[in-house]
Order: sequence, then C-alpha cells, then structure tokens
Amino acid sequence: QQPVQSPQAVILREGEDAVINCSSSKALYSVHWYRQKHGEAPVFLMILLKGGEQKGHDKISASFNEKKQQSSLYLTASQLSYSGTYFCGTEIGGRQLTFGSGTQLTVLP
Amino acid sequence: GAVVSQHPSWVICKSGTSVKIECRSLDFQATTMFWYRQFPKQSLMLMATSNEGSKATYEQGVEKDKFLINHASLTLSTLTVTSAHPEDSSFYICSAALGGADTQYFGPGTRLTVL
Repeated sequence: QQPVQSPQAVILREGEDAVINCSSSKALYSVHWYRQKHGEAPVFLMILLKGGEQKGHDKISASFNEKKQQSSLYLTASQLSYSGTYFCGTEIGGRQLTFGSGTQLTVLP
Repeated sequence: GAVVSQHPSWVICKSGTSVKIECRSLDFQATTMFWYRQFPKQSLMLMATSNEGSKATYEQGVEKDKFLINHASLTLSTLTVTSAHPEDSSFYICSAALGGADTQYFGPGTRLTVL
C-alpha cells in the first residue's frame, strides 16, 4: 500500500526550513528517503529502522515515530541544491520498497 | 562506494522491437536487484525483484513475458522489453541492495521511447 506524502509541493527561499511527512496505515519495517532531480535517478538520503529514531546529516534530518507508521524529513536552512522531488520508500518486510507520490521542493534564491 | 550503472542511458526504438537494459553494481555484489518504472511526474513503481540465480518475482499487473528479467551474476541484471509499444515508453530505473542490508542504490535510469 502506497504511503501518503505531504505536502505535494513546497516553494522556499534559500535559508528557510521545510518538513515533509510520510504516513502509512501499517507499521513499517523501515523508511527510506530519497531525493530525485529532474531526469536523474533517486539519490539515497537516509534509512530509519527503529521506532523513535532520529538521524541526520548536515542540515537534513529525519525521524521515525514510535509506532513506526510515520516519518518526517526536515530540511534546515535550505540551499538551492536541495531542490528536487523527495520520495519516501516504505518497507513492510521482504526488502521491496513502496514509494510515496513525492514532494516537489523548489528553493528560490 | 555502492555505485550502480545502467546501459543505455536512453534508447529510441520502433514499435514491435525488443530492447535490453543492463544494470550493473560496480563496486559491490548485489544479491537482489529491483526494477522500477517511472512515468513523468509520477512515483517509482516497482516492477519486479530479481535475485541472482533464480527467477524474478513480478509485481501484480506486470507481464512477465513482456518484461524479461535475467540476473545472471551478482553484479548484472538485465531487463528486456519485448515487442515494445508506445505505452511502454517510460523511465526505467534499477536498484541494487547490498547483501543483507536494506539500502537500495539506484542506477542512473534508462529513458525508453517507443515510436
């Protein structure tokens, strides 16, 4: 079952923050976050495996709630290079990922 | 590390012909590879899961006789679109998972256009 991503699109100015949410109706084994630029393949950002987990790299971080049904991606002090479409991929077991519909992020100068 | 390549990057073919797309893990052995299809401005849709040395597992609605998958080695999987039609035009992306790990690393994708 496809996870629900929100918002569908967001426009920011450089330096502003954004949050992208990913929700599932079932408990998940893991959540994977990817960023895809137009015409390119998705690039892996991070994976969350444990309920209550939070992790990050540079100014991009993510959380996985205790029930393991909801994850959020946090983009802090956004840069122009953050523009792209962000997908969450959810796993309920078996290693296959089901991707959300994506969130198109545009960072303006 | 964890680099996945795809060949070709793009291909244009006539309706009725077959097209083969290769997916290679360059610096690791991938026991499992995945094939996705992505239409413009849409999400990635899993087509099949490919395990080295065994038959691929296809998702519901994906014709196994039309999309032939071969995973002959731990570093190579191929997808052959047989008797391609214009509705098969899409962006095909493979990913590879490190043995025992969960992270999937994506190839750069192949854009197929069927005339």
